[in-house]
Amino acid sequence: AQKITQTQPGMFVQEKEAVTLDCTYDTSDQSYGLFWYKQPSSGEMIFLIYQGSYDEQNATEGRYSLNFQKARKSANLVISASQLGDSAMYFCAMRAPYNTDKLIFGTGTRLQVFP
Amino acid sequence: ETGVTQTPRHLVMGMTNKKSLKCEQHLGHNAMYWYKQSAKKPLELMFVYSLEERVENNSVPSRFSPECPNSSHLFLHLHTLQPEDSALYLCASSQGREGYQPQHFGDGTRLSIL
Repeated sequence: AQKITQTQPGMFVQEKEAVTLDCTYDTSDQSYGLFWYKQPSSGEMIFLIYQGSYDEQNATEGRYSLNFQKARKSANLVISASQLGDSAMYFCAMRAPYNTDKLIFGTGTRLQVFP
Repeated sequence: ETGVTQTPRHLVMGMTNKKSLKCEQHLGHNAMYWYKQSAKKPLELMFVYSLEERVENNSVPSRFSPECPNSSHLFLHLHTLQPEDSALYLCASSQGREGYQPQHFGDGTRLSIL
């Protein structure tokens, strides 16, 4: 069965430090996509970064990078130089198989950045 | 305007009321989605429209009725809802349904059923 697991319900990080948010996934498909979204208290889900299962390099988008370890089925999000505005819920999601409409979401991690 | 816009942002209704949620995307996308987000539960996909045709309905109760009149607009018609339907309803769109295409979400409508 397709499943996303985020084991950290909450994380704290000091401003300007880096933080890693964990995500593990379960799928029997060989071709799939992994996404991270940010949801501030306003409610909007903001797309951050994408990693395809066949991508050889880890995805990066500005201060966001995805630590993709295929053998371990993990896709951790790394946020460098945290900012106060990074405080939000973060969701890992998977599209498996690759051509399905359905995004499977984890339960999320609440990140709080303090000064 | 840019992105995905949802109205209203908040809605309180009784169980016997009929209301509609509206979603409009300004991204030129051709696929649109409705999701339900309940407290402490993962997002649940409700409906998918591609090129204005419904392609997926994840066993959603008939008290939720979607409508997609064109590729930019998506509605969710609500009638005789139950208290457990109180949730954040999110609309999303994407350019195509290929695996690498991210879905772009609106701010959501927070629905409370009295």
